[in-house]
Amino acid sequence: GAVVSQHPSWVICKSGTSVKIECRSLDFQATTMFWYRQFPKQSLMLMATSNEGSKATYEQGVEKDKFLINHASLTLSTLTVTSAHPEDSSFYICSARDVLAGGWGETQYFGPGTRLLVL
Amino acid sequence: SQQGEEDPQALSIQEGENATMNCSYKTSINNLQWYRQNSGRGLVHLILIRSNEREKHSGRLRVTLDTSKKSSSLLITASRAADTASYFCATRNYGGSQGNLIFGKGTKLSVKP
Repeated sequence: GAVVSQHPSWVICKSGTSVKIECRSLDFQATTMFWYRQFPKQSLMLMATSNEGSKATYEQGVEKDKFLINHASLTLSTLTVTSAHPEDSSFYICSARDVLAGGWGETQYFGPGTRLLVL
Repeated sequence: SQQGEEDPQALSIQEGENATMNCSYKTSINNLQWYRQNSGRGLVHLILIRSNEREKHSGRLRVTLDTSKKSSSLLITASRAADTASYFCATRNYGGSQGNLIFGKGTKLSVKP
């Protein structure tokens, strides 16, 4: 099946620094990628929808200046957590939809996640 | 907002027993999906059931869908220790951010050897 990779898989940083997380679709093109955040023992919450070549759509309550999303190509989307604080520590998961799957692209693939710890 | 609500939140069984998890949702759907997540890992798609289907099988998995009750169940038969994971149902948000998936809170399954 299609593969979505994320890099890095985990990162520890100091408060105030910025962290970039990459999400790549390895063998398919994805005009749309989704970024989720998952706190311990909780479900995934959608943060934003990343669209290739245009601005991301953020969910209510998610600061767009805090979580910068860039979707520069059909296979790469990046999430940058700017001026990270301890409360940003979480598990970030991206997913990508296969454009060739047609319709609403029910075939949606998830990355392995990136664990961020802000000290 | 959370669309699906799973119950139970946690389930502990012995190897070989069956595990049943339920999911309820609020809006109309075209399909409902079940995912599995091992601790601290990404999600793995298990099965998709369409709104015009009532039951679907895949190996040891059996999924049912009752659109009149807006509920679905996932049955894992003859469970194994390796089935220990969290299980989430998800529905597509067609009215929101270009069809993102909305996940339930999940059921944490623990299968004891």
